[in-house]
Amino acid sequence: QVQLVQSGAEVKKPGASVKVSCKASGYTFTSYDINWVRQATGQGLEWMGWMNPNSGNTGYAQKFQGRVTMTRNTSISTAYMELSSLRSEDTAVYYCARLYHIVLSYYYYYYMDVWGKGTTVTVSS
Amino acid sequence: EIVLTQSPGTLSLSPGERATLSCRASQSVSSSYLAWYQQKPGQAPRLLIYGASSRATGIPDRFSGSGSGTDFTLTISRLEPEDFAVYYCQQYGSSAWTFGQGTKVEIK
Repeated sequence: QVQLVQSGAEVKKPGASVKVSCKASGYTFTSYDINWVRQATGQGLEWMGWMNPNSGNTGYAQKFQGRVTMTRNTSISTAYMELSSLRSEDTAVYYCARLYHIVLSYYYYYYMDVWGKGTTVTVSS
Repeated sequence: EIVLTQSPGTLSLSPGERATLSCRASQSVSSSYLAWYQQKPGQAPRLLIYGASSRATGIPDRFSGSGSGTDFTLTISRLEPEDFAVYYCQQYGSSAWTFGQGTKVEIK
């Protein structure tokens, strides 16, 4: 079945970097963008950016420009999200999600249909 | 950036009742990019509705979505015990995805 399996929890000190992985299975990895979304404890969902696994092209939310890098290794169907200069406010659960697209009656539809279980990143001194 | 405002923040209802959740956008949104998700504690979001009104695979027909432009609605016709959760709307516009702040549906 289609699934995204994320790496385990991380504890980092302020100023450090973290790299979270997201391994895809059950579908052709290069066919759909991977998006990253985070959620601080008790808070809502915050979109961070997208990556096209085929081209490697990326697009980042303005808030994270300059601090986030999204990459991939197509040989192992894995996407990565690296966040640098960590601060306490970056403590959150980080999710990867597949951006699916279909065509219905000549219209394109886009939605995040499969999500990883999340990776908890704790930033603490 | 397009801002999505969900209301109410919390909805207190009993099983069997109808739930109506609102999502209002700060500017017009393409229905092709409007989705609704359900999230339970400790779980990842789950896709319910895409294209503003199409149910995702496996989603019961008690869930329905409607709306266009700046006003969208998620309706749960008869609440089941497993429907008590937080619901988020999401849209894509101006090269960014944004989420509403969520509506919590709790047991009254």
